[in-house]
Amino acid sequence: DTEVTQTPKHLVMGMTNKKSLKCEQHMGHRAMYWYKQKAKKPPELMFVYSYEKLSINESVPSRFSPECPNSSLLNLHLHALQPEDSALYLCASSQGGTGNNEQFFGPGTRLTVL
Amino acid sequence: KNQVEQSPQSLIILEGKNCTLQCNYTVSPFSNLRWYKQDTGRGPVSLTIMTFSENTKSNGRYTATLDADTKQSSLHITASQLSDSASYICVVSAGSGGYQKVTFGTGTKLQVIP
Repeated sequence: DTEVTQTPKHLVMGMTNKKSLKCEQHMGHRAMYWYKQKAKKPPELMFVYSYEKLSINESVPSRFSPECPNSSLLNLHLHALQPEDSALYLCASSQGGTGNNEQFFGPGTRLTVL
Repeated sequence: KNQVEQSPQSLIILEGKNCTLQCNYTVSPFSNLRWYKQDTGRGPVSLTIMTFSENTKSNGRYTATLDADTKQSSLHITASQLSDSASYICVVSAGSGGYQKVTFGTGTKLQVIP
């Protein structure tokens, strides 16, 4: 299995809702990433988990809360989001936590905040 | 500051024609450079990865070149197909050991028309 899966594909939520994005990989990768991508822009790194520990947080607002329950799963919990948080959220994984390891991306979750 | 610039921003070509996309970077110390293809609303898919010592790498109709002296890379697409329509993103990793900083270019949007 050489795939990163993400659910849901699309999500519409209000500013008072609590929702979660899920990411899963079964390639034995030990590093997992969350990216945010706005239209016509490159992905922006949000979080990096290495060996199930949060290793990088790129100054992301606390309304985004990552969680890594085990080496195959990565969640992103959302609460009190703003309309400007609407974007494509991409999950990626790599064999190790260094940048010279190829990152495999999931298809993304298209998030709309009303 | 690490930067990755791509040109052109967008490109329209006829099916069957060749094209070349450019990537210039000011990343240091250089570790590796990747080209990704991203369909609209989907996650990026890796095409090639090149390290300092590699000048050329091919993947089917895609050929990437790297000139580490001038800090330039190109992606050549041969005999383009309609399915090549996508954004092409140049990604450069910097650093040595530990987590390496990954910088995404702004992408080139390619449209192949019949």
